[in-house]
Amino acid sequence: EVQLLESGGGLVQPGGSLRLSCAASGFTFSSYAMSWVRQAPGKGLEWVSAISGSGAGTYYADSVRGRFTISRDNSKNTLFLQMNSLRTEDTAVYYCAKLVVVAATRHFQHWGQGTLVTVSS
Amino acid sequence: DIQMTQSPSSLSASVGDRVTITCRTSQSISSYLNWYQQKPGKAPKVLIYAASSLQNGVPSRFSGSGSGTDFTLTISSLQPEDFATYYCQQSYSIWTFGQGTKVEI
Repeated sequence: EVQLLESGGGLVQPGGSLRLSCAASGFTFSSYAMSWVRQAPGKGLEWVSAISGSGAGTYYADSVRGRFTISRDNSKNTLFLQMNSLRTEDTAVYYCAKLVVVAATRHFQHWGQGTLVTVSS
Repeated sequence: DIQMTQSPSSLSASVGDRVTITCRTSQSISSYLNWYQQKPGKAPKVLIYAASSLQNGVPSRFSGSGSGTDFTLTISSLQPEDFATYYCQQSYSIWTFGQGTKVEI
């Protein structure tokens, strides 16, 4: 059974930093691209970042490019999101998700339970 | 960037109703369109991928159609457990979600 468990969320002041982790199990982690998706309170879903299975390819939404860094440790089956220069608008539940390629489309097949990041003074 | 327009933003329906949700993209995305269901306090769950393929384990009352710029999610007979928010998502160019459609009683 695929399991994704996020951690590292919390309260941080504007301009601060936070590192999120996502521990994966139940599949061959290094074979799959992974992603972070966030959801501000009462709002819709926003894709944040993605990383290839090897870690060589990384992708970012314009809203976080230059402030957030996605990475992974395939030896520990763990995905990370380093978030710097945090803004109040980064307040959200952050989900990690496993990307699957089927029929040339890429969708988020499995999701974690999410971790809440609150940016406030 | 590819823009997504989902409609309606919310709808009221009854058990047994046929429900249709529409998603339009700002440029052609072929069939690179997925649909998700999200219940309050829970992570999203994929229902349909590649515009019309049903994810394993998803009831057959859910169906998707469309290609190019216009797509539809249909629930043929709404069940109590289907009251949720539904999102379309394009995967033609990285990923973008629609703004969501809340299905309520």
